[in-house]
Amino acid sequence: GENVEQHPSTLSVQEGDSAVIKCTYSDSASNYFPWYKQELGKGPQLIIDIRSNVGEKKDQRIAVTLNKTAKHFSLHITETQPEDSAVYFCAASKDTGRRALTFGSGTRLQVQP
Amino acid sequence: EAQVTQNPRYLITVTGKKLTVTCSQNMNHEYMSWYRQDPGLGLRQIYYSMNVEVTDKGDVPEGYKVSRKEKRNFPLILESPSPNQTSLYFCASSPGTGLTGELFFGEGSRLTVL
Repeated sequence: GENVEQHPSTLSVQEGDSAVIKCTYSDSASNYFPWYKQELGKGPQLIIDIRSNVGEKKDQRIAVTLNKTAKHFSLHITETQPEDSAVYFCAASKDTGRRALTFGSGTRLQVQP
Repeated sequence: EAQVTQNPRYLITVTGKKLTVTCSQNMNHEYMSWYRQDPGLGLRQIYYSMNVEVTDKGDVPEGYKVSRKEKRNFPLILESPSPNQTSLYFCASSPGTGLTGELFFGEGSRLTVL
């Protein structure tokens, strides 16, 4: 089955700096790569996703890049703010008729004011 | 307000005492799923349901049961809980059954089995 590895497990940055979280996946057939943000005491929430026919996608201060050849994708957050502090999960899946999202182990991002 | 509601949010129980965690969504979603979250392991799927009366195992189904008798409800049943089922549980739903569409998660149920 699919295996998703996520790094780093914790990341601390100064407010205003950029943060990058990286994930690798094992199944070359995976074609959907979402990122979820989990705030303390809440359930994960989708923040951005990318499909395998696209190399990069941006939404304001967040962007995701995908390298299909290397089987890795990354989340980039620019101009970080304290409210960006949360746990971030990457995930991967393929369209097999089942929502078989495989999640990474999570990255705890702390933005220091 | 569109939401996925789980109950209870917190529960401490003892080994072997059957319990049910309820999940209800008000978005008319066909797809529902249960995940458990453990430190360093991310979210792992327990069971999922593509529609009423259609359920299937996820990656870690041992020790759990589910049912989907109504579209809005998807309870998770632990018939004989054990300490290794101590975890944070999330219910999620999604429109349709295809690849597109985000997962909408509940706020989680923290279960401790003594």
